Amino acid sequence: EAQVTQNPRYLITVTGKKLTVTCSQNMNHEYMSWYRQDPGLGLRQIYYSMNVEVTDKGDVPEGYKVSRKEKRNFPLILESPSPNQTSLYFCASSSVTGANVLTFGAGSRLTVL
Amino acid sequence: DAKTTQPPSMDCAEGRAANLPCNHSTISGNEYVYWYRQIHSQGPQYIIHGLKNNETNEMASLIITEDRKSSTLILPHATLRDTAVYYCIVSPHSGGGADGLTFGKGTHLIIQP
Repeated sequence: EAQVTQNPRYLITVTGKKLTVTCSQNMNHEYMSWYRQDPGLGLRQIYYSMNVEVTDKGDVPEGYKVSRKEKRNFPLILESPSPNQTSLYFCASSSVTGANVLTFGAGSRLTVL
Repeated sequence: DAKTTQPPSMDCAEGRAANLPCNHSTISGNEYVYWYRQIHSQGPQYIIHGLKNNETNEMASLIITEDRKSSTLILPHATLRDTAVYYCIVSPHSGGGADGLTFGKGTHLIIQP
C-alpha cells in the first residue's frame, strides 16, 4: 500500500531533550515536506525537500532541522525542544510532476513539557 | 498564492449532494484549484484539482466558473464519513516547496444522519 509513515505517533517529552520524528514513504517520491498544525493557525510548512540532499526552509523553520540522505526518508529533528513546539506534525510527499498532489502521513502529536 | 474564501461551516443531510463553494477572485492564470479534506486530526487527504475545466473522479466533482474566480466541490452522495474540514487551495501545479500549498481555515462540513 502506498503510504507515508511517521513515528512516533504520540510523544511527550521535556524541554531541551533532543528528539527525532521519522518519516518514510514507499512511493519513490522526490518531494517531501513537514507541516505543523496548531489550533487557529492551520497547517504551516516547516521544511521541504525537492530531492536527496536538497532541503529548504518553509514558513516556520525556527527550532527544527531536517536531512534527506535517502529518497524515502525525511526525518524532522528538534535539537532542543521547547513548549511552543507542542503541536501536531504531518509529513507529506509527492512526485515532482504532481508536486501539489500530496500524500500525508497520519500525524505525530508532540507535547513538550 | 492567491487567497481563497470559504464558509466556515456547512451542514448536509446524509445521502444528499454536498456542494462546497470557494471564492478565489485573484487567481492567476497558471494557478490550479486544489481540494483537500481533513478528518479530525488525521492527515489531510487529496481530493481533486483542476485548472479551468470541470473535473470528476471517484471521490468528487469540481466545477470551476468560466472566469475562474470561484469553484464548487461536489460530493454526490454524502455519507457520515464525509464529515471533515475541506480546504480549497490555489497554487501553481508544478510548484511544491516554496510555492507549495497554503492551507487556510477551510469549511467544516457536517453530515447529518
